[in-house]
Amino acid sequence: GENVEQHPSTLSVQEGDSAVIKCTYSDSASNYFPWYKQELGKRPQLIIDIRSNVGEKKDQRIAVTLNKTAKHFSLHITETQPEDSAVYFCAGGISGSARQLTFGSGTQLTVLP
Amino acid sequence: SAVISQKPSRDICQRGTSLTIQCQVDSQVTMMFWYRQQPGQSLTLIATANQGSEATYESGFVIDKFPISRPNLTFSTLTVSNMSPEDSSIYLCSVKPSAYPGELFFGEGSRLTVL
Repeated sequence: GENVEQHPSTLSVQEGDSAVIKCTYSDSASNYFPWYKQELGKRPQLIIDIRSNVGEKKDQRIAVTLNKTAKHFSLHITETQPEDSAVYFCAGGISGSARQLTFGSGTQLTVLP
Repeated sequence: SAVISQKPSRDICQRGTSLTIQCQVDSQVTMMFWYRQQPGQSLTLIATANQGSEATYESGFVIDKFPISRPNLTFSTLTVSNMSPEDSSIYLCSVKPSAYPGELFFGEGSRLTVL
């Protein structure tokens, strides 16, 4: 099955700086890579996703890059704000498949004012 | 998106008892799942709730401990049986609406504390 590894486990940045979280996956059949943000006491919510037919996707201050050859993908948050503080989870799987997403271990991001 | 309601949102339970968590979705969904999130940990899939048939359990999870029902396409229950403190966790219902291929939506979760 799929194995997704995520680094770092914790990340602190100054407000306004950029944050980068990296994940690797093992199954070359995986073609869907979402990122979820979980604020304290809240449900995980999808913030951005990428499919294997593209190498990069942006949505305002958030971007995700995918390197299929190396089997890794990254989340980039620019101009960080205190409200970006949360736990971020990457995941990998096959879009439309009954097989479920495999989640990374999570990154606690703290944006210091 | 799908709106998912879970009940209870939290509970404190005594060792040896059982608790049933309910999950209601505002639209019919083919795929419905139950996850566990232990304190400070990632999301671990317990099982896929299949409508009209027995749930499909992941390695490490068994039906006797986590019986699941799925009577229709909008509702499911997860029971945590014979609880011990190690079962203290957040249990999350999730769905994969067919209109959003691959995308997983989560309920707010049920936070269980077992004393």
